[in-house]
Amino acid sequence: NAGVTQTPKFQVLKTGQSMTLQCAQDMNHNSMYWYRQDPGMGLRLIYYSASEGTTDKGEVPNGYNVSRLNKREFSLRLESAAPSQTSVYFCASSRVPVLAGGIYEQYFGPGTRLTVT
Amino acid sequence: TQLLEQSPQFLSIQEGENLTVYCNSSSVFSSLQWYRQEPGEGPVLLVTVVTGGEVKKLKRLTFQFGDARKDSSLHITAAQPGDTGLYLCAGAGWETSGSRLTFGEGTQLTVNP
Repeated sequence: NAGVTQTPKFQVLKTGQSMTLQCAQDMNHNSMYWYRQDPGMGLRLIYYSASEGTTDKGEVPNGYNVSRLNKREFSLRLESAAPSQTSVYFCASSRVPVLAGGIYEQYFGPGTRLTVT
Repeated sequence: TQLLEQSPQFLSIQEGENLTVYCNSSSVFSSLQWYRQEPGEGPVLLVTVVTGGEVKKLKRLTFQFGDARKDSSLHITAAQPGDTGLYLCAGAGWETSGSRLTFGEGTQLTVNP
């Protein structure tokens, strides 16, 4: 099992350019997430998809869009990149707990390091 | 909005020393997780604590969930250079969409040989 994979690993964009970050998981997980990580700010949730066909905003959704393409894949799009979006982006997935109110343990990809100049 | 505060933010110690990292909130969480992240990689789950007052041990690491489910601690005994990394706590709320986690800012631990 590859777990959670992300492409690309590194990317440099100019202000105003667009790009899509790809994420795929092979663990048959229902839920998938996109986070950004900035120094001293931990992980902040951008968007998540509790199950195939649904997406919801997280803590910092402005400037981003997402697509849950199928159960395996969840992409993050920057339509018009800004320097404030320079960050490390992580995708994660989790299975749905057997019991209602159970634990969602998340598994993370290796990250995409994005620089916007 | 549920917030988790970790302390200390940075910790540099010598091999063999003991240390404790704290994760505090004014909110109650249904469960709390600890992750470790190494440079250039994504966070990796270490443990999940669910019951108030619960203590879990993972070799030299001891995790505790506060009785009121608002705080947690991670204690490392006889730290080794391999323990170096960013330690993150994350809490799950009681909301209906239970898949969301709130992460603390992290504690950067450096263990010097």
